[in-house]
Amino acid sequence: DAGITQSPRHKVTETGTPVTLRCHQTENHRYMYWYRQDPGHGLRLIHYSYGVKDTDKGEVSDGYSVSRSKTEDFLLTLESATSSQTSVYFCATGSGGIDEQFFGPGTRLTVL
Amino acid sequence: QKEVEQNSGPLSVPEGAIASLNCTYSDRVSQSFFWYRQYSGKSPELIMSIYSNGDKEDGRFTAQLNKASQYVSLLIRDSQPSDSATYLCAVNLVGSGTYKYIFGTGTRLKVLA
Repeated sequence: DAGITQSPRHKVTETGTPVTLRCHQTENHRYMYWYRQDPGHGLRLIHYSYGVKDTDKGEVSDGYSVSRSKTEDFLLTLESATSSQTSVYFCATGSGGIDEQFFGPGTRLTVL
Repeated sequence: QKEVEQNSGPLSVPEGAIASLNCTYSDRVSQSFFWYRQYSGKSPELIMSIYSNGDKEDGRFTAQLNKASQYVSLLIRDSQPSDSATYLCAVNLVGSGTYKYIFGTGTRLKVLA
């Protein structure tokens, strides 16, 4: 357990509203990742960070932005939520290199 | 397109049997390979990592890697009903000094009591 928390754990929102999900880690890992998980698609990378203020896009980044102002926090923002963004969102952290990553408990987001 | 492929299952095995889960990947430069277990409604949990060709054993779990064939597998010996879960294969990608992971869609395992 890498000491990763996510907030909120559940959220229901309406189409067009902004949403921010937070990931907080206590392991001082350099890398942090945001994934979404949908039936039939598995885990897909949205954005990741390789250091404070250093971020890059993943395979499904459209409609999402991220920020990392300090090592322990990584925020995922949906500027204007759409129903297609209804999903379970997982944060993960890792020390980088070829080593494993560890997952947070997830956030279930429903966009009506 | 770098891919990781798994049979979605479900793979059903009787209690006490060996469960064999397979994964193929397309990126030849991948350096590390992982198996995660995910129970329904929960987050993925790391159970095995493997970095070099051959077998790696940890308790009832054995990971096997064949880089020439781009193939990684997970064997679960003496399967228990508590092993019923979805097993995700993940491959580490290295590019431009950063590290990302590609996941397969997972194989659902059902161990029948």
